[in-house]
Amino acid sequence: GQQVMQIPQYQHVQEGEDFTTYCNSSTTLSNIQWYKQRPGGHPVFLIQLVKSGEVKKQKRLTFQFGEAKKNSSLHITATQTTDVGTYFCAARKNGNQFYFGTGTSLTVIP
Amino acid sequence: SAVISQKPSRDICQRGTSLTIQCQVDSQVTMMFWYRQQPGQSLTLIATANQGSEATYESGFVIDKFPISRPNLTFSTLTVSNMSPEDSSIYLCSVPGPTNTGELFFGEGSRLTVL
Repeated sequence: GQQVMQIPQYQHVQEGEDFTTYCNSSTTLSNIQWYKQRPGGHPVFLIQLVKSGEVKKQKRLTFQFGEAKKNSSLHITATQTTDVGTYFCAARKNGNQFYFGTGTSLTVIP
Repeated sequence: SAVISQKPSRDICQRGTSLTIQCQVDSQVTMMFWYRQQPGQSLTLIATANQGSEATYESGFVIDKFPISRPNLTFSTLTVSNMSPEDSSIYLCSVPGPTNTGELFFGEGSRLTVL
């Protein structure tokens, strides 16, 4: 099946530092989504990117879709303790079915 | 947004037994998805539950192990049969958002521990 890899697997940052997670696919993607899962919680949708080179912002979060539509990134500026969780990218398989990336677990040290 | 209720939220089960997880959605949806999330891992799609037809299973998952029911457009069940410790996971029900953006809403999950 399709492989969607994320790096890093884990990231520990001091509060106030920036954080970036990268999502890479071996195939061209029609779109990509990002989800956040708090510890003990369920995944919550953050955003969907569709266009090549697309950049979207949500407050301190910046999402980018690569020009070749094979990779994506999520950047958080000035992390806060509320940013703690695991961030997953998800690539559409077909219809409303998605492959989830391996995830990046973010720990923010106060 | 869709509100999804899952039962049980957690359970401890004995090896060889079966457990049925229920998923109730507050609106009618054509497709419902069942995911598995093993400890510390990502989400893996088990199957798509279609109303009025058999569920569609992903590679590596079979109906005998994970039978699914979908009696109507707001409800589905997933049974984990003949459980072994390797089945210890969080099982998540998911539905597409109403705006057809592809956004998925998830239930709170059912955390199963098999002894």
